[in-house]
Amino acid sequence: AQSVTQLGSHVSVSEGALVLLRCNYSSSVPPYLFWYVQYPNQGLQLLLKYTTGATLVKGINGFEAEFKKSETSFHLTKPSAHMSDAAEYFCAVSVTRAGGTSYGKLTFGQGTILTVHP
Amino acid sequence: DARVTQTPRHKVTEMGQEVTMRCQPILGHNTVFWYRQTMMQGLELLAYFRNRAPLDDSGMPKDRFSAEMPDATLATLKIQPSEPRDSAVYFCASGRGLAGFGEQFFGPGTRLTVL
Repeated sequence: AQSVTQLGSHVSVSEGALVLLRCNYSSSVPPYLFWYVQYPNQGLQLLLKYTTGATLVKGINGFEAEFKKSETSFHLTKPSAHMSDAAEYFCAVSVTRAGGTSYGKLTFGQGTILTVHP
Repeated sequence: DARVTQTPRHKVTEMGQEVTMRCQPILGHNTVFWYRQTMMQGLELLAYFRNRAPLDDSGMPKDRFSAEMPDATLATLKIQPSEPRDSAVYFCASGRGLAGFGEQFFGPGTRLTVL
């Protein structure tokens, strides 16, 4: 079975500072990995995903994440935080199938609330 | 712009009443998920369907919750009777199932308050 651990339920940064949200996963097969963002009173929105190929993936709003198999990590970063980045962020893993697709079910981490100070 | 739609967006009801929430998945998506989100429990998977067939509903309280897909364009989640502890935001999400990588697309949610 797969699992996801997000280190830190709350992260606070100053505007313009580096954003680093940590995610570690556990999976017995090569995973597909996702980051979602949830703004207040909205649904979850896909930020970026890793499936195969390049381990550094870029997403919307200047975010990127790097898949590190040796560390079983998929940390999310953004070089310079903006006030509009304040939201809750979820890391998720999908189990892969033979042939390169997935079973379609995601396992989510507990979420990290990002606060951005002026 | 394909989106998952959910109705109603807000629902306030009294304990004991029936609540029905509806979801229209993205056209062409064959997998539908129902989640519940609360401050205390976070995001919980209640049930999911592939090709309209229920695959897993182990997250749902069976005595009061039921989920169905009458057709490919409509998924419903019913609570009967509702209780104050059911107050939460309920999200529907859809995906391409076995044909995709697992990403899901979420609706805006139904905020349920049971008094």
